[in-house]
Amino acid sequence: AQKITQTQPGMFVQEKEAVTLDCTYDTSDPSYGLFWYKQPSSGEMIFLIYQGSYDQQNATEGRYSLNFQKARKSANLVISASQLGDSAMYFCAMRVTQTGANNLFFGTGTRLTVIP
Amino acid sequence: DAGITQSPRYKITETGRQVTLMCHQTWSHSYMFWYRQDLGHGLRLIYYSAAADITDKGEVPDGYVVSRSKTENFPLTLESATRSQTSVYFCASSESRLFQETQYFGPGTRLLVL
Repeated sequence: AQKITQTQPGMFVQEKEAVTLDCTYDTSDPSYGLFWYKQPSSGEMIFLIYQGSYDQQNATEGRYSLNFQKARKSANLVISASQLGDSAMYFCAMRVTQTGANNLFFGTGTRLTVIP
Repeated sequence: DAGITQSPRYKITETGRQVTLMCHQTWSHSYMFWYRQDLGHGLRLIYYSAAADITDKGEVPDGYVVSRSKTENFPLTLESATRSQTSVYFCASSESRLFQETQYFGPGTRLLVL
């Protein structure tokens, strides 16, 4: 069975500071992808960053980076130089190859608030 | 580039009524998904489709029906709405079933069942 755990219901960060949002995962499938999505107050789900299980380097996309520690089964999202527009819900998700549905398995999310 | 759209964006209905949520994508993606989002549960899969005329159940399919006669459309029908189906519904699509493929989401439909 696949499981994503996000243990931080809410986080606060000062504007221009960096913040790390935690995500741990569990799967017996050796091939998987890890995704982070942002959900602002307007409600849409915005894809941020992807990390593959076989990728040797941590993924980066602009101010977003993924701290991938395979042995610990963690895939933390790091947001550098936080901006007020980063205030949102953030979801970690995983996709594997072996399940029939091949869907994303989501964590329960972390609400990030950026303080001016 | 419209991407993936959903309609209606907001819907209020009554218990027992039939409701259909529409999803349309312009990318010709093979795979399409319906998720529901509830507080404390993240997103959960209701149904998915691998191609036109191929659909299958996800984690929470009870009370829902889907069809996919055309690649670009994937409507979700609540046959007899219940209050427990009050939720935010997201449609998503991806090019293939590979784990590397990103799923892209529509804007969501907020459904309230009275």
